[in-house]
Amino acid sequence: DSGVTQTPKHLITATGQRVTLRCSPRSGDLSVYWYQQSLDQGLQFLIQYYNGEERAKGNILERFSAQQFPDLHSELNLSSLELGDSALYFCASSARGSIHEQFFGPGTRLTVL
Amino acid sequence: AQKITQTQPGMFVQEKEAVTLDCTYDTSDQSYGLFWYKQPSSGEMIFLIYQGSYDEQNATEGRYSLNFQKARKSANLVISASQLGDSAMYFCAMREGGYSSASKIIFGSGTRLSIRP
Repeated sequence: DSGVTQTPKHLITATGQRVTLRCSPRSGDLSVYWYQQSLDQGLQFLIQYYNGEERAKGNILERFSAQQFPDLHSELNLSSLELGDSALYFCASSARGSIHEQFFGPGTRLTVL
Repeated sequence: AQKITQTQPGMFVQEKEAVTLDCTYDTSDQSYGLFWYKQPSSGEMIFLIYQGSYDEQNATEGRYSLNFQKARKSANLVISASQLGDSAMYFCAMREGGYSSASKIIFGSGTRLSIRP
């Protein structure tokens, strides 16, 4: 158990819908990262937050947004969902940037029908 | 642009043998970090080992060691005395951005390792 929690574990929804994925980092970790893992794109970095502020952006679509709250938990919002958004979404946390290892949550499996 | 290449999509190894998983990287940064992660069939991502670009000695963590050859830009993972539980997908990754909090990690495409009893 990495100490990072993600909810829900599975999510099934329809095209055009909006969903919110939630992540709680390890106690004391200030950085939260979001990744998307799909069969065709592999593991892609989406976005990083550090102590509530956006710090780095990767291949995140405009339909997707994220935020980190004062209690350091983070949410990833996916809107106008398409079939291609079906993937495993990971959250990871680290104590300070990526200088130390990132600890991954169990992931949220999103299926868009 | 930074890039991670894993040229072995799949490998089969006999139990108790040592195995080397290849990883090459490309970066123009002087300061960077290299990681290996394991992803079993259950799906979770498990951190294995980390090597900083300025670390002079190869990183080791139990049965895992990282063969870091900076001039060749390679960071191969060596697993000694492989076990059936080592069967999984293995990802090599690189941290961009130097030692700051504004960093992101890029991943290779992975190597699927299967251990034969």
